Amino acid sequence: QSVLTQPPSASGTPGQRVTISCSGRSSNIGRHTVNWYQRVPGTAPRLLIYKNNQRPSGVPDRFSGSRSGTSASLAISGLQSEDEGDYYCAAWDDSLHWVFGGGTKLTVL
Amino acid sequence: EVQLVESGGGVVQPGGSLRLSCAASGFSFDSYEMNWVRQAPGKGLEWISYITSSTALIYYADSVKGRFTISRDNAKNSLFLQMNGLRAEDTGVYYCVREHSYSYGENWFDAWGQGTLVTVSS
Repeated sequence: QSVLTQPPSASGTPGQRVTISCSGRSSNIGRHTVNWYQRVPGTAPRLLIYKNNQRPSGVPDRFSGSRSGTSASLAISGLQSEDEGDYYCAAWDDSLHWVFGGGTKLTVL
Repeated sequence: EVQLVESGGGVVQPGGSLRLSCAASGFSFDSYEMNWVRQAPGKGLEWISYITSSTALIYYADSVKGRFTISRDNAKNSLFLQMNGLRAEDTGVYYCVREHSYSYGENWFDAWGQGTLVTVSS
């Protein structure tokens, strides 16, 4: 059972906008910033969004993040086939642990 | 180019031990906090352990506390994970992860290794 809650799956057709939610508690998302990671099968996870809504260089601006209260969300606009993979939210928790969501498997139909 | 290369994975019997290593290159290893994160087959990512650049602070997930030990050798640009008392549920891919330090509660993982597979089975 993951500390952060994500939907197990999401899907969309090419060009569509998809959002993935991430729900936590006051001890993690409520007080600290949220990061998002993408894991494409066969590759290592990579940083997608940091500090709630910041994109590292090289990440397309189709990806955006937001945080409100104890929840966060990742939005992907202009969905592309290469976006298929698993998406994880993560945040620091005041119990001195990093916590992850259970992951959301994104399928591009 | 930042590189993190894990090694030391393999098949081990329940109750056995393994020592994972991570060779870092392309950055000032002694300036970064580091972590181990794992992924069990068919499961999500699970944070395992954290160590500061000076080793002053070390944290563990409850699932491995008392069995795993994280350490580092800054002179050799290396991170380690000593795993004792291994259980079937410890099976998975173990990633060496660099943490970008911004401020308390506002850090992020900015580099991941390719992972090393640990299988605990009799």
